[in-house]
Amino acid sequence: GAVVSQHPSWVICKSGTSVKIECRSLDFQATTMFWYRQFPKQSLMLMATSNEGSKATYEQGVEKDKFLINHASLTLSTLTVTSAHPEDSSFYICSATRPGLAGVDTQYFGPGTRLTVL
Amino acid sequence: TQLLEQSPQFLSIQEGENLTVYCNSSSVFSSLQWYRQEPGEGPVLLVTVVTGGEVKKLKRLTFQFGDARKDSSLHITAAQPGDTGLYLCAGARWQNFVFGPGTRLSVLP
Repeated sequence: GAVVSQHPSWVICKSGTSVKIECRSLDFQATTMFWYRQFPKQSLMLMATSNEGSKATYEQGVEKDKFLINHASLTLSTLTVTSAHPEDSSFYICSATRPGLAGVDTQYFGPGTRLTVL
Repeated sequence: TQLLEQSPQFLSIQEGENLTVYCNSSSVFSSLQWYRQEPGEGPVLLVTVVTGGEVKKLKRLTFQFGDARKDSSLHITAAQPGDTGLYLCAGARWQNFVFGPGTRLSVLP
């Protein structure tokens, strides 16, 4: 199966600092990457959709100035949580879409990044 | 509005029992995927179903896509503690994916 990596796996930071999370598709070029947030014992909440070379599309209620997304290449997308606060603490997961046969795209997920803001 | 519903949301069973998880929508999807997620990890793809009425088997797991491509089911035979996790279905429409709320399965030894 396709491999998607995230870095770092976990990060602890002080309130007010910025944190960058990287998402890479290791063995395929991703047409689209997605960023999700997940609270304990809940399902995934889509934050934004990212296409290479264009601005990310944010879901309603997600602050684009707070969560900066850069999609520099077909294999790399980054999420920067700016001026992080304790309420930003969460599990952030990225996924990359791999084009499949007959137009069937499949999402492959990264292992997630646990962010704790003190 | 939840485009994809999953039922049950929670399920706790004994090892060896069978179970079925349902994923339902009023929308048609071009494909549907099932994932399993364990705590602290990202979801892992189990299967993608594309054709209405399609049935796929993965060892003790049987996946079915509804004829109208609006719903799907996951049946686990003789569940084992290793099957414990959060099961997510996701429907694909164009280049968007819609996730269900998940079914949290606990298989007790």
